[in-house]
Amino acid sequence: SQQGEEDPQALSIQEGENATMNCSYKTSINNLQWYRQNSGRGLVHLILIRSNEREKHSGRLRVTLDTSKKSSSLLITASRAADTASYFCATDFQGAQKLVFGQGTRLTINP
Amino acid sequence: DAGVIQSPRHEVTEMGQEVTLRCKPISGHDYLFWYRQTMMRGLELLIYFNNNVPIDDSGMPEDRFSAKMPNASFSTLKIQPSEPRDSAVYFCASTDGYQPQHFGDGTRLSIL
Repeated sequence: SQQGEEDPQALSIQEGENATMNCSYKTSINNLQWYRQNSGRGLVHLILIRSNEREKHSGRLRVTLDTSKKSSSLLITASRAADTASYFCATDFQGAQKLVFGQGTRLTINP
Repeated sequence: DAGVIQSPRHEVTEMGQEVTLRCKPISGHDYLFWYRQTMMRGLELLIYFNNNVPIDDSGMPEDRFSAKMPNASFSTLKIQPSEPRDSAVYFCASTDGYQPQHFGDGTRLSIL
């Protein structure tokens, strides 16, 4: 399967701490995306990093991509209770619009 | 913008019944995707359309599943006959091909 794997499956930290989630994938990609899913809601796009980029920032989010290791990480700094959600990485499949999602990391921020 | 609209939000029905899920994509988006999410298998792409034409239906589990897009503003996913193992959350998403996919809030389907 070309599906990615995310690590850890679940993460629980205190408010204010940083949260790091990792994603590994199997095939070559054009880009990798991160999405957030709040309980009972659809996925919301957070950030996209292209295969020729190594790092990207958006607010409190920092994404890295290592194409040689076929892995990416999402760092959320200064976490807030509102960051509690599941986070998914997604890779494009064969350059098409089709996305393949990882199994997700369930993040809990404790007040 | 109203976003991607799915209906119903929840559906509970008995095994063997026909189920129809509906999706209205964001206006101007010419790609539409149907996904299924379960605890065991995660988020799986079932089928996607471009300009109302099915492009890839390799994720459709079996002949009991069918999807249509009669026009640019409406798509349906139909299950007939439904089985308990079809219980899942079904998501619709759309994009113009340049922006990331926008997801609806899903239909939670329970087959008894």
